[in-house]
Order: sequence, then structure tokens, then C-alpha cells
Amino acid sequence: GEQVEQLPSILRVQEGSSASINCTYENSASNYFPWYKQEPGENPKLIIDIRSNMERKQTQGLIVLLDKKAKRFSLHITDTQPGDSAMYFCAARPQGGRALIFGTGTTVSVSP
Amino acid sequence: GGIITQTPKFLIGQEGQKLTLKCQQNFNHDTMYWYRQDSGKGLRLIYYSITENDLQKGDLSEGYDASREKKSSFSLTVTSAQKNEMAVFLCASTSDRGGYEQYFGPGTRLTVL
Repeated sequence: GEQVEQLPSILRVQEGSSASINCTYENSASNYFPWYKQEPGENPKLIIDIRSNMERKQTQGLIVLLDKKAKRFSLHITDTQPGDSAMYFCAARPQGGRALIFGTGTTVSVSP
Repeated sequence: GGIITQTPKFLIGQEGQKLTLKCQQNFNHDTMYWYRQDSGKGLRLIYYSITENDLQKGDLSEGYDASREKKSSFSLTVTSAQKNEMAVFLCASTSDRGGYEQYFGPGTRLTVL
């Protein structure tokens, strides 16, 4: 089936620096791209999303970029804090589809 | 706002046993999903349902049955639990009217002895 590739699988950064996660998707008709944060023992929580009619979205220290031509989208966490340490998942929703296709996840570790 | 509840929170079963997990949502969402997450891994779709009595297979449907008894509830059955199986089963729901946001329940942790 369709896949979403997510890289890197592990990301270690210093507090205060930025962290970037990249995802690529296969279906050019995909129109919705959410990002989830999952802390140990918790369920995934939606932190930011972007639709295909946008190229950039920003909220509370998070920036999402979408490049439809390259079928690539990315999450940038600015000024990382220890509380940003978690697993992050990207996903894509094919147009007309009901199910999200998830990436394999990135473990982000922010050290003081 | 709304909430997704999953029962039980922890489920311990025996090899070969049939086990049922339940999910309820009060968002009045149309589509509900069941995912399996193995430790430290990604989410794999087992089944989803776009309305009451509808069922759609995901990539991981073999070994599972599901039932959408009513709009607010979606249950998943492990037809024959596998020895040493450990995973978290996550239920999720989405509204198909305007927004695509998908929200997850707290999960059911399965251990098979």
C-alpha cells in the first residue's frame, strides 16, 4: 500500500536549538498533513496540521512546510525545550480517502 | 469538545483466547479507526468504519474482527491471541464534515501470556 517515509528515526538536539523532521508521500492527490506528538505511555496528540492549499503554517514554536511539487512536508520545532522530547509522527490523507497514512515516527531527545 | 474512551485499559489474555476491546466517542464523529502500535514503533491500521455497520479493512486486518454497533462505538476482536504478544491498540475518530482532524483514545495495552 501507500507509504509515508519519515526521517530521521532518531534526533538528538541541544536545548534551545531547532529540530527538523522530514516526510515524503507518494500520492500527489493527498490533501491533509497532520503531525502528532506522543509521549511515553500516552496516546498520540495532534499538534499541528496543514492542508494542501497552504505552503506554511506556524503555531507556538512549531512550523510546518509543505512542498507539493516534491511531495514533501516537514516539521520544525524552534527553540527546543526538554518537554519537546517525545515521538513525533507525520501522516498524509489521500484526497477522498478516510484513513491517514502514518510515517514510522521520529524519537526526539532534547538535552539540557 | 469530546472524548474517546477505551475499555479495558489493560488486557491480559491467554494464547488462543478471543479478546474484545471497546471504544466509545462522544464527538459525534462519522469515522472511527483501530490501530495497533508495537513498542517504540509506528501505527498500523487494522480496521476503520465510515458509518454505523460499515467496515473497511486496513493493512493489518488478518487475525482481527471489528464491529460498528452504533455511530458512537467501535469494537475490535482479537480472534486468537498469539503467545508473547504485546501491543497497544489505539482507537481514533474523525469528523468527515469539514475538518479532517483525527483524535486518539488513551489505548488498551494487551499482554498475552
